[in-house]
Order: sequence, then C-alpha cells, then structure tokens
Amino acid sequence: NAGVMQNPRHLVRRRGQEARLRCSPVKGHSHVYWYRQLPEEGLKFMVYLQKENIIDESGMPKERFSAEFPKEGPSILRIQQVVRGDSAAYFCASSPIGSPHQPQHFGDGTRLSIL
Amino acid sequence: QKEVEQNSGPLSVPEGAIASLNCTYSDRGSQSFFWYRQYSGKSPELIMFIYSNGDKEDGRFTAQLNKASQYVSLLIRDSQPSDSATYLCAVTPGGSEKLVFGKGTKLTVNP
Repeated sequence: NAGVMQNPRHLVRRRGQEARLRCSPVKGHSHVYWYRQLPEEGLKFMVYLQKENIIDESGMPKERFSAEFPKEGPSILRIQQVVRGDSAAYFCASSPIGSPHQPQHFGDGTRLSIL
Repeated sequence: QKEVEQNSGPLSVPEGAIASLNCTYSDRGSQSFFWYRQYSGKSPELIMFIYSNGDKEDGRFTAQLNKASQYVSLLIRDSQPSDSATYLCAVTPGGSEKLVFGKGTKLTVNP
C-alpha cells in the first residue's frame, strides 16, 4: 500500500515565481492536512481539507498561499510570488476520517528553496 | 495561544538505558496526544498515540498521559542507537483535528 505521496521532493524557485506542491493521500483517505517546518523550528499547521472543501485554514498566511483538494486528483498547495522566507519543508498528512483521535500519516515532504 | 512545550535537549543516553521524553501542553481541552519520531531530513513517523489518562505500552515504547497536570511522556526502554532522532510531541486542541507540535527533543543513544 502506498503511503502519502508528495511531489516534487525538492523544488527550487526564484523570488517572485510560483510554487505548486502536490499531495496524494493514502488510498481511501479523504482528509488532508498541510504543515510547514521552517529550519530549526517545529511543524506548524497550515490548512485542513476534505474533498472539495477547506475545513480549517487558520494556519494559512493571509496572502499568496492557497490550497485545494479537488474531487479528482491530488491536493495542491500553491504559493504565489515566493519570497526567501517561504524556504521550508512542506509536509502533507492524511487520515481516513476527520477526528481529533485519528492519527495522521505524513508524506516525505517537499523541500522548497527560494533563490 | 495553544502551546506544546518540550525540552529541546539534546538528551543523551547509553545503549540499553531508558530514555524519558516529556511534553506539557497549555490547552486543557486537548483531546489526543501523539508522539512522532523524525530522523534528520526525513518525515515525521508516528510512534504512539494516547487519549486516556494512564499508560499505553507498545513494544519498547510507553506513553503516559496525565490530563490533570497537562503532561504527556514517552519512555523508550532498551534504547538502541537507531532510536537516535528528534521526538515530536503533538496534540489536537479542543474542537479541532489539526495537530499542534512541540519543537521536539533530540535524542542521542550512545553505543
């Protein structure tokens, strides 16, 4: 069974470009969570999505960041007009149901570097 | 601000010893508590989770939860060099499914 699949594993962008990070959850999981880990920092929640719905976006920066989880295809985290401070590891996690008691399983992450 | 606090370490123990990792949380309504292991440059890997007061054992790992003290711990018995990693404590705050993480404790097990 495939786990959470994220691509690309590494992404390099120049300041002002757009970054698109993709996440395919574990087969059968319909709940996706995005987290960001800055260098020497802990993981920070960004957004929680269920198919076609954003459930909680309380951790998303107000500008330049957006996320979607369409009916078909992977979840996408989109960062427009990237800046140096966006350099981080972005992790996606999934779970079969939306419950505070349900463990979340993480993908290998996308390491985003901004030149 | 809902916070999760961990000693950053590093915590160093000899091979075969018991490693004790601690975590406190500020939201008294927190519902579930998770321990993840993260090797350098890798993704977090679920070790254990607990949501009732008391102890929960799985192999060499024991999670302990004390909701009155807002304290959760992870014990690793018979520590092995392969246990050397950063251990992340995470909680789900009341009314939420998101995970709030501590900054992690770096554990080194010396052969």
